[in-house]
Amino acid sequence: DTAVSQTPKYLVTQMGNDKSIKCEQNLGHDTMYWYKQDSKKFLKIMFSYNNKELIINETVPNRFSPKSPDKAHLNLHINSLELGDSAVYFCASSPLISGAKNIQYFGAGTRLSVL
Amino acid sequence: SQQGEEDPQALSIQEGENATMNCSYKTSINNLQWYRQNSGRGLVHLILIRSNEREKHSGRLRVTLDTSKKSSSLLITASRAADTASYFCATDGGAGSYQLTFGKGTKLSVIP
Repeated sequence: DTAVSQTPKYLVTQMGNDKSIKCEQNLGHDTMYWYKQDSKKFLKIMFSYNNKELIINETVPNRFSPKSPDKAHLNLHINSLELGDSAVYFCASSPLISGAKNIQYFGAGTRLSVL
Repeated sequence: SQQGEEDPQALSIQEGENATMNCSYKTSINNLQWYRQNSGRGLVHLILIRSNEREKHSGRLRVTLDTSKKSSSLLITASRAADTASYFCATDGGAGSYQLTFGKGTKLSVIP
């Protein structure tokens, strides 16, 4: 069974559309994350949730809204997509948010292409 | 600002050779981690070294940490073609920090 799974794997859409990416982890972890990886492989944290509570919210446009219905799920909704949103988005989870337990387990990524 | 910086950006070696990648960071840390990313895949945790440790081994991996120089190195011995991937260091921000900051990675190519 896949530990951290995100869907879809590929997402091609037009500018201005709204789209969602789903993430689920079956590891029993308390903390989940969304990262954005640009074309130069730079990985930047976007959001983090601990037990359904938002604890990290980096400087991300309001068009991006995370939703955590329970601690096993963290979905990402993006409104009014722009060309610059094209990237690979990774979901990750960890047992705890800090210390030596902050080893993160990543999903396979969602490659978003905005045309 | 970005915490970790890997060096070199790209490294190409023959199978069987050793590969060394370096990481420098800017602020105090609790732990430093190394991750591997195969092409088109997510990151996979390799090894974690605590700030009070100087060296750690795991299989063919050896990690060193020098907190006075704010730097770490990852050595992969007897490299294999399957080691071809990008390698990232990740640091937390020290006391009270909740997030990891990743460097830009070193792209390693191991030629059979």
